[in-house]
Amino acid sequence: DGGITQSPKYLFRKEGQNVTLSCEQNLNHDAMYWYRQDPGQGLRLIYYSQIVNDFQKGDIAEGYSVSREKKESFPLTVTSAQKNPTAFYLCASSPRGPGANVLTFGAGSRLTVL
Amino acid sequence: AQSVAQPEDQVNVAEGNPLTVKCTYSVSGNPYLFWYVQYPNRGLQFLLKYITGDNLVKGSYGFEAEFNKSQTSFHLKKPSALVSDSALYFCAVRVESYNTDKLIFGTGTRLQVFP
Repeated sequence: DGGITQSPKYLFRKEGQNVTLSCEQNLNHDAMYWYRQDPGQGLRLIYYSQIVNDFQKGDIAEGYSVSREKKESFPLTVTSAQKNPTAFYLCASSPRGPGANVLTFGAGSRLTVL
Repeated sequence: AQSVAQPEDQVNVAEGNPLTVKCTYSVSGNPYLFWYVQYPNRGLQFLLKYITGDNLVKGSYGFEAEFNKSQTSFHLKKPSALVSDSALYFCAVRVESYNTDKLIFGTGTRLQVFP
């Protein structure tokens, strides 16, 4: 089945540690996105990538980093510089052309900083 | 600034009654508008979109949305609500420029359908 796989589903981190969230898609989509979800604030865009080896900052990129070395993979690193990293993180992808912006989402990764 | 607003944090409706979840937008140019639904501890699922054409757009699970340009609104509707429709609903608008193509989401509206 085609889809997006995010791992791990739950992650606990101590303050000062970097963590990397995995996002893999087998939909052959060109574009991939990372969103952060907090209660009452909806989804906020962290980073997105329209093609391999290129990515752009979203609205809340500070304290995060990404890479896009392969079309199917878009990992997100939450660094120790992120002041309030506890949140639900959602990865999404979309095709280009007529289907653009119809995002397919993964099931999410919940990060808790202890 | 380009944005989308969902004025209601929660909407309560009895099963079998019609439901409306409100969304207003502010964009330059013609809007591309979307509705997504999220069930607990899951990612979002696409419901429907408006690009151009008929103002009434039909989507998944019996949902539809009405685009109103004069009121800059894109309200989600369903003629008869089901308990299984209870979820978090997000409106989104496309923001596009020479180097940008992304969706901006509203803050979400929790729909509670009571039996």
